[in-house]
Amino acid sequence: QVQLQASGPGLVKPSQTLSLTCTVSGGSMSSGTFYWSWIRQPAGKGLEWIGRIYTSGRTNYNASLESRVTISVDTSKEQFSLKMTPVTAADTALYYCARGYSGFDHDAFDIWGQGTMVTVSS
Amino acid sequence: QSVLAQPPSVSEAPGQRVTISCSGSRSNIGNNAVNWYQLFPGKAPKLVIYYDDLLPSGVSDRFSGSKSGTSASLAISGLQSEDEADYYCEAWDGDLNGPVFGGGTKLTVL
Repeated sequence: QVQLQASGPGLVKPSQTLSLTCTVSGGSMSSGTFYWSWIRQPAGKGLEWIGRIYTSGRTNYNASLESRVTISVDTSKEQFSLKMTPVTAADTALYYCARGYSGFDHDAFDIWGQGTMVTVSS
Repeated sequence: QSVLAQPPSVSEAPGQRVTISCSGSRSNIGNNAVNWYQLFPGKAPKLVIYYDDLLPSGVSDRFSGSKSGTSASLAISGLQSEDEADYYCEAWDGDLNGPVFGGGTKLTVL
């Protein structure tokens, strides 16, 4: 079955760039009508959607983060990536990658990765 | 401050039934489907209810969902220790043009 694994540096300095990659295994990113999202969870807080990308390259972002975020996809590597800059301590969080789908009159995130912790600190 | 409101915690004894509420507005729950996710520390979150009240394949039928107006609920019957986890509701928000989540509810099985 499809699995997602997020990876990237666990420590990023303030004002620099957070870069994460999600690798999809067990299936092709291009099959089906799915989209690929990043979601984060600061310690002790709720989940926050960051944005999504379709394999066509079309993106949508959380308006509160849009100016600092870029999501890209490389279907040849079965990967999609997140870049966020500049970062502050408020961006310290557990970052999840997830597969989303659009069904009849509804959307949902049906497969998630384990998450990768990113700490922003000097 | 999360867009959808959930109680921070609920607790119930094994074998009993517990419900977790999720309150929103017309722009999210009132006009869009609600999904529920189960989170364990260090593990991948799991979809346990989608489209308000549908059960994904492989999820125990002890889980059920409902929605009325701008509120939704997740119910778990026959509580087991393995159900002890954090639960989050989620719905698309038409005003924000993206999915929004609740603040999460920690379920403790006494």
